[in-house]
Amino acid sequence: GAGVSQTPSNKVTEKGKYVELRCDPISGHTALYWYRQSLGQGPEFLIYFQGTGAADDSGLPNDRFFAVRPEGSVSTLKIQRTERGDSAMYLCASSLSQGAGELFFGEGSRLTVL
Amino acid sequence: AQSVTQLGSHVSVSEGALVLLRCNYSSSVPPYLFWYVQYPNQGLQLLLKYTSAATLVKGINGFEAEFKKSETSFHLTKPSAHMSDAAEYFCAVSEPNYKLSFGAGTTVTVRA
Repeated sequence: GAGVSQTPSNKVTEKGKYVELRCDPISGHTALYWYRQSLGQGPEFLIYFQGTGAADDSGLPNDRFFAVRPEGSVSTLKIQRTERGDSAMYLCASSLSQGAGELFFGEGSRLTVL
Repeated sequence: AQSVTQLGSHVSVSEGALVLLRCNYSSSVPPYLFWYVQYPNQGLQLLLKYTSAATLVKGINGFEAEFKKSETSFHLTKPSAHMSDAAEYFCAVSEPNYKLSFGAGTTVTVRA
């Protein structure tokens, strides 16, 4: 498809496990963003990539969270030693450029940590 | 630092009535402002955006928003609500870089 694709759409895991969430942005979009949305709240910024490099990772809550984008396209958000508080919808978005460019969001990956 | 406040977490309107969703922002520089809509189990979709051109911005699905610098507001309106407008709406602000800051969202319910 032409939109941002996120997999898995749903992930249930146990506390302490490792999780990977994948984002496939729109072809040609150099900017990629990860957001986290908890129930009843707006999306919160996690990390922003311009190309292969993380231009801003100031939103990552702690060192259990890490994200990569090795070839400047697909990105993976990695969460180690998951905690129940990590349960949320993880949204990925891409855009042609930074600044006022429109962000195109995927449908999200819902993570539930039991 | 930039932030957004959406007044009212839930709004209920009758079909055909005016929809008004309030958004106030704070930003140290002229902002870019956005409204996004999220339907159940879907990603966020851009409704409209303000980027320092015309202060009255028209978006998709009959929505529009007016940027008022003196009031630091960017309220979203639609003259006549439709059942399909039931969704969650998010206001967001971005300084001229890349990071969007979202409000907490307003859920719209449309009564038949």
